[in-house]
Amino acid sequence: GPKVLQIPSHQIIDMGQMVTLNCDPVSNHLYFYWYKQILGQQMEFLVNFYNGKVMEKSKLFKDQFSVERPDGSYFTLKIQPTALEDSAVYFCASSPGLGVYEQYFGPGTRLTVL
Amino acid sequence: GQGVEQPAKLMSVEGTFARVNCTYSTSGFNGLSWYQQREGQAPVFLSYVVLDGLKDSGHFSTFLSRSNGYSYLLLTELQIKDSASYLCAVNYNQGKLIFGQGTKLSIKP
Repeated sequence: GPKVLQIPSHQIIDMGQMVTLNCDPVSNHLYFYWYKQILGQQMEFLVNFYNGKVMEKSKLFKDQFSVERPDGSYFTLKIQPTALEDSAVYFCASSPGLGVYEQYFGPGTRLTVL
Repeated sequence: GQGVEQPAKLMSVEGTFARVNCTYSTSGFNGLSWYQQREGQAPVFLSYVVLDGLKDSGHFSTFLSRSNGYSYLLLTELQIKDSASYLCAVNYNQGKLIFGQGTKLSIKP
């Protein structure tokens, strides 16, 4: 089936540093998403993105977070500066449309903030 | 609010069936998806339902009752490899998915 890729698979950084998580969505998809999953807990919506703009974000999407997809390349999630509570697995997803379309998930990036 | 609830654990026996329940708040409902997630891996899409009734997809079937805010995922002829977490996720409005905590299904021989 369609594949979403995420780079890197693991990232370890010191608190206060900046980190960028990269997502390569399915090629003909137009809508992109980030979700956060802390170990053993439920998946939580962070943000969705379409046509170069954030459509909706949750309260977990702090001011330190930003997303972009410059020139159709990777869809990125940047955290600057990072905090200890940002340690989690971040999943990227994409879909061809809204609502009735399934979202395809990448394998996740495990972020550890020390 | 937009809450999605499902039991944390479920046990069943190989060769039989398992039903994973999900309840959700109906405000803003725009469809419901089921995903399978194995430890340390990405959720894998199984099914999407938006109309009431039973949707039979062979090994996996899904049921929806919109007025009751209720869905279930039915797995038949269980195999050991079906042991995984099953996530219920409700589509609200702008395509965001609100997930339940996941039901960890354990299957015994």
